[in-house]
Amino acid sequence: AQSVTQPDIHITVSEGASLELRCNYSYGATPYLFWYVQSPGQGLQLLLKYFSGDTLVQGIKGFEAEFKRSQSSFNLRKPSVHWSDAAEYFCAVGAAVNRDDKIIFGKGTRLHILP
Amino acid sequence: GAGVSQSPRYKVAKRGQDVALRCDPISGHVSLFWYQQALGQGPEFLTYFQNEAQLDKSGLPSDRFFAERPEGSVSTLKIQRTQQEDSAVYLCASSWGQESSYEQYFGPGTRLTVT
Repeated sequence: AQSVTQPDIHITVSEGASLELRCNYSYGATPYLFWYVQSPGQGLQLLLKYFSGDTLVQGIKGFEAEFKRSQSSFNLRKPSVHWSDAAEYFCAVGAAVNRDDKIIFGKGTRLHILP
Repeated sequence: GAGVSQSPRYKVAKRGQDVALRCDPISGHVSLFWYQQALGQGPEFLTYFQNEAQLDKSGLPSDRFFAERPEGSVSTLKIQRTQQEDSAVYLCASSWGQESSYEQYFGPGTRLTVT
């Protein structure tokens, strides 16, 4: 069965510092991988997705993520965070075999930004 | 164009009451998904429609939960005899459901509180 693990419940970084949020997935075949962001009272917004091809994917708001099959990981990175990046971040996996399928989400990592 | 909309945004129900939550997907989107997000958790899949056909309802937690999409556009999630454990944010998402794009677009959610 598909599953996603986000080992860090909370992460605190200073504004301007670099960021890496960890994500490990479990899936028997090639997965579709996503990172979503959820600000308080807002819906989920897609930051980036990996379907195939280049394992380093670029997203919106200056985020990027790298798919590492050998480590079953899809970590999210940003070189310099802004106060507006404070939010909840969800890693998610979808079935590549049937792309129009449900998404399995991790429990999320809440990002706090220090001024 | 308009995104996915959900109504009501907030709903308070007394235990035992029935509730109906509405989702208006993006116009033309074939696929529609319902997710449940408990406090401090990631969204969890409830059910999936392709047009008016409910193709997967494996995530519905009990037979008190019922979803429909009779004309292949608007969907309603109904919860009968609500219980406190039903308190959560209910998210709706839609997608084109086609080779070109399986990206799911999420609505802002309905926060249900059962007292």
